[in-house]
Amino acid sequence: GAGVSQTPSNKVTEKGKYVELRCDPISGHTALYWYRQSLGQGPEFLIYFQGTGAADDSGLPNDRFFAVRPEGSVSTLKIQRTERGDSAVYLCASRSGGADTQYFGPGTRLTVL
Amino acid sequence: GENVEQHPSTLSVQEGDSAVIKCTYSDSASNYFPWYKQELGKGPQLIIDIRSNVGEKKDQRIAVTLNKTAKHFSLHITETQPEDSAVYFCAASRFGNEKLTFGTGTRLTIIP
Repeated sequence: GAGVSQTPSNKVTEKGKYVELRCDPISGHTALYWYRQSLGQGPEFLIYFQGTGAADDSGLPNDRFFAVRPEGSVSTLKIQRTERGDSAVYLCASRSGGADTQYFGPGTRLTVL
Repeated sequence: GENVEQHPSTLSVQEGDSAVIKCTYSDSASNYFPWYKQELGKGPQLIIDIRSNVGEKKDQRIAVTLNKTAKHFSLHITETQPEDSAVYFCAASRFGNEKLTFGTGTRLTIIP
């Protein structure tokens, strides 16, 4: 079946601009996670949704970052007033209820010039 | 919060030999430990995982061992093949469905 998909695969923007990154989880997966991966590092947790609500947003670095999952499926990560330090690969993962495994998408590479 | 350390950062082994990657964690409440393989330009892919009520788990050429007392766990790959070349990440979490805390990764290169 289809895995986690993320769009766009690459996004180049200018400092100060607003960006939206989209994640389509595996069908039926109730849990959805966003991570950020800088070059040469492991993924770092940003936010976790259980259904429509954010169960844990402790990883969001500041109030420029916001994520939504209005219908409990697709999620959008929104970054306002982008900074060069926001450049990274943004990964989305989903998990079936009651299971342990998080399945990752291919990521969106964000470059802020 | 949880802190996961991973060693070595790079590892080169001859094809057919074994590779071992080690991780330590700090949170004694962590009870789920997955290992992911990441190829260039792709997202991490789960290769094996272990829960804290088990000391060892094996799946064909891949095995993971866990020492809860010492708070460390290891990935063992036997009979390595060129397609095993990738970056490997260990991770830890509580309850198995909360956020994962990842190690910094090991770049494994299999020399033909």
